[in-house]
Amino acid sequence: SQQGEEDPQALSIQEGENATMNCSYKTSINNLQWYRQNSGRGLVHLILIRSNEREKHSGRLRVTLDTSKKSSSLLITASRAADTASYFCATDLGAQKLVFGQGTRLTINP
Amino acid sequence: NAGVTQTPKFQVLKTGQSMTLQCAQDMNHEYMSWYRQDPGMGLRLIHYSVGAGITDQGEVPNGYNVSRSTTEDFPLRLLSAAPSQTSVYFCASSYWGAGVLYEQYFGPGTRLTVT
Repeated sequence: SQQGEEDPQALSIQEGENATMNCSYKTSINNLQWYRQNSGRGLVHLILIRSNEREKHSGRLRVTLDTSKKSSSLLITASRAADTASYFCATDLGAQKLVFGQGTRLTINP
Repeated sequence: NAGVTQTPKFQVLKTGQSMTLQCAQDMNHEYMSWYRQDPGMGLRLIHYSVGAGITDQGEVPNGYNVSRSTTEDFPLRLLSAAPSQTSVYFCASSYWGAGVLYEQYFGPGTRLTVT
C-alpha cells in the first residue's frame, strides 16, 4: 500500500491563484520531499523538510509538515502556466527507501 | 556534470526477450535506485543500492536484476520481458548518510513497451 497519499488527485486553477496540495503518510519518517514532474520527463526535487521542521520556503513554494497528523502540504503562490505539472510527495522511512505518493496533477489555466 | 543519464530512451521488446537498461551518474553519489512509473501512478521502487557491491530489493523486484560494480553505474536487467513490465523506468541517485536519504536526482527515463 502507498505510504504517501496525495489530495487532491487533480487540481485546476487560474493563473495567479494559489495552489495547495496535501500529502498524508502512515509511519514515522526521517524527512518528506516534494518533487515536480513535467509531462513525460524525470522528476525534479523541490523541497526537503526534516521531521523536526515545521515549515520551509523556497521562492513561491511553501511546505509545512505536521508530524502529529502525519501530513504535509505544498503551497504554490501566484501560480504561472509553467507550474502545470504533476507534484509528488515522497517519504524517507529510514529504511533506505523513498516511498512516493500517486501525485497531484496541477493545471494552470491562462 | 551530466547528472544522471539513462539509455536507451525508448525500447520495444517481445515477450520473453531480455535486455539491460543502463544508468550512470557522475556526482559520486552512494545511493542509486530504479523506479517504474505506470500511467497515472506514482513511482514504485524496484531495486536500490547504497554503494558498490551492495544492492537490495524494493517494492516490486520480481522479474528484474541489478548489480553495482562501480559507484557510477547501476544497470537494471529484465530477465524475460512480460507485457506487465511495460512502463517508464527512472533511475535516480542521491547522497545517503546516517540512515537519511537526501534529494534524489532523476534521469530522463526509459519508455519500455513489451508486446
